[in-house]
Amino acid sequence: AQSVTQPDIHITVSEGASLELRCNYSYGATPYLFWYVQSPGQGLQLLLKYFSGDTLVQGIKGFEAEFKRSQSSFNLRKPSVHWSDAAEYFCAVGATSGTYKYIFGTGTRLKVLA
Amino acid sequence: NAGVTQTPKFQVLKTGQSMTLQCAQDMNHNSMYWYRQDPGMGLRLIYYSASEGTTDKGEVPNGYNVSRLNKREFSLRLESAAPSQTSVYFCASTLDWTGGYSGNTIYFGEGSWLTVV
Repeated sequence: AQSVTQPDIHITVSEGASLELRCNYSYGATPYLFWYVQSPGQGLQLLLKYFSGDTLVQGIKGFEAEFKRSQSSFNLRKPSVHWSDAAEYFCAVGATSGTYKYIFGTGTRLKVLA
Repeated sequence: NAGVTQTPKFQVLKTGQSMTLQCAQDMNHNSMYWYRQDPGMGLRLIYYSASEGTTDKGEVPNGYNVSRLNKREFSLRLESAAPSQTSVYFCASTLDWTGGYSGNTIYFGEGSWLTVV
């Protein structure tokens, strides 16, 4: 079955430190992969998406993600975190499970220390 | 540049009351969705509408009904609210029915916080 796993429920980093949020997926072929960010009290906003081509994808707000087929991973990274990056981050797979839906991970909540 | 707009933003209901969450998108999208978000469970699909005139159940449809009023609007109704329906509800839309399978970006509203007491 198609699935998305975000192993880290909470992550805390200091402002200026680097960040990596993990995402693993289970899918029969190369899927469309997405990262979304949800700021407090807001809806989800697309950071970036991947389907094919260069395995390193650039997104908005200085984020990037790397697709690794051998590890079934699509980890999100940022070289230097800003306090405004504190939010919840969701990885998602564009699924073909018959209901035209997206499969979302359970999210990783990022806390940024000043 | 509204995107997906949903109302109300906050609502408190008593058990057994009914209410309708309204959603409208101005991106000329064909497909619309209702999700609920609960702590530790991510986003779960309640109902979706692949195109105007069609609606289908998602993962957690029990206790809800929907109406695709026209291409722009997709409402979610709770006929008899229960405490288990306390959640944050998100309306979303995509260009067409292929959704994530073809890489369509899904656009979300800002959410509706519903508490059932």
